[in-house]
Amino acid sequence: NAGVTQTPKFQVLKTGQSMTLQCAQDMNHNSMYWYRQDPGMGLRLIYYSASEGTTDKGEVPNGYNVSRLNKREFSLRLESAAPSQTSVYFCASSQAWEAYEQYFGPGTRLTVT
Amino acid sequence: AQSVAQPEDQVNVAEGNPLTVKCTYSVSGNPYLFWYVQYPNRGLQFLLKYITGDNLVKGSYGFEAEFNKSQTSFHLKKPSALVSDSALYFCAVRDATSGTYKYIFGTGTRLKVLA
Repeated sequence: NAGVTQTPKFQVLKTGQSMTLQCAQDMNHNSMYWYRQDPGMGLRLIYYSASEGTTDKGEVPNGYNVSRLNKREFSLRLESAAPSQTSVYFCASSQAWEAYEQYFGPGTRLTVT
Repeated sequence: AQSVAQPEDQVNVAEGNPLTVKCTYSVSGNPYLFWYVQYPNRGLQFLLKYITGDNLVKGSYGFEAEFNKSQTSFHLKKPSALVSDSALYFCAVRDATSGTYKYIFGTGTRLKVLA
């Protein structure tokens, strides 16, 4: 099993450009998440999907949109990238959202110039 | 308000010595507590969790953590550190009675095990 996969691994955008980060899991998990990791700030939740067909905002949703395409896939879209969105983005999944540990992908390092 | 604190940015320990990485939390109800480890250029990996029951939780790679309700702490421990334990460690908490998803991660503690 590949676990949680993310594409791309690295990306450089110019301010105002858009892009979609892809995430897929093969563990038949119900819940999926998108986080950003910034130095000294730990992980902050952007959006999550408790189950297929539902999505909800996390701590820092502004400037992002998500799509839970099916049970396996959860994408994150930046409509108009800003330098403040330079970060490392992690996708994660868990069996359910209540008391289960999360499994993380390898991350996407995004730089917005 | 829900919060978690990792008071040390970095912990240094000699190989073979016991290690402790500290975590304290604040929730209104009962906590679900987790520890994760992150190696360079990798995603986080789950180590262990406390949901209910025995206060001493054992996890992967010889790590354990003790839930202390009176001190609102969940410190990560290992009896004998290895150089390969050097990594970034995150504590996370969720209020089990909140009814909503809200996991809060700490800012991380870098563990350096010296040979």
